[in-house]
Amino acid sequence: LAKTTQPISMDSYEGQEVNITCSHNNIATNDYITWYQQFPSQGPRFIIQGYKTKVTNEVASLFIPADRKSSTLSLPRVSLSDTAVYYCLVGSLAGGNEKLTFGTGTRLTIIP
Amino acid sequence: NAGVTQTPKFRVLKTGQSMTLLCAQDMNHEYMYWYRQDPGMGLRLIHYSVGEGTTAKGEVPDGYNVSRLKKQNFLLGLESAAPSQTSVYFCASTAFQNTGELFFGEGSRLTVL
Repeated sequence: LAKTTQPISMDSYEGQEVNITCSHNNIATNDYITWYQQFPSQGPRFIIQGYKTKVTNEVASLFIPADRKSSTLSLPRVSLSDTAVYYCLVGSLAGGNEKLTFGTGTRLTIIP
Repeated sequence: NAGVTQTPKFRVLKTGQSMTLLCAQDMNHEYMYWYRQDPGMGLRLIHYSVGEGTTAKGEVPDGYNVSRLKKQNFLLGLESAAPSQTSVYFCASTAFQNTGELFFGEGSRLTVL
């Protein structure tokens, strides 16, 4: 089971691009990388998922290098409402990796 | 579109009391999970289930029991609550062919005095 490592916290100003990196050196061939966002007193919610290279949706981009041992969540032009904890999750039910465990997450604070 | 529903949302227990948290999902998902989240901490997996009638231990299973008698429900039980079990409990579910996208409930806040 791939273990993940993220920075504990990050600060950024409104309007800037924020990049949060997750290390997962032991990622398995069938594992996907999924990022979640959690606001206080709420359950985590899905942001983006990828397997390799780059994935982009309406809220974020996910960059995964060829060796897949790390991934970077990119949030463009952040606002105060992006203040939250961000988790990366590495696993894949399709690959028999049912025990989906989270790392400590990154607490992102957006400064006005 | 209820998704994942947890009951109760809040509960206060005395040490030694027992209780059951109910998680219900209406998405016909095979996999269900129970996590706990202590203040300022990440999510830790307690138990999970890969299908009706099956359960498995997660990272922190001690002091908890689970049952999955129906596909849509996953129950988390505390037989003898301890103050160390004060936490917010989250249930999540996903489909068997999924690649890791979990759908979470809103959480159940438990305080053990």
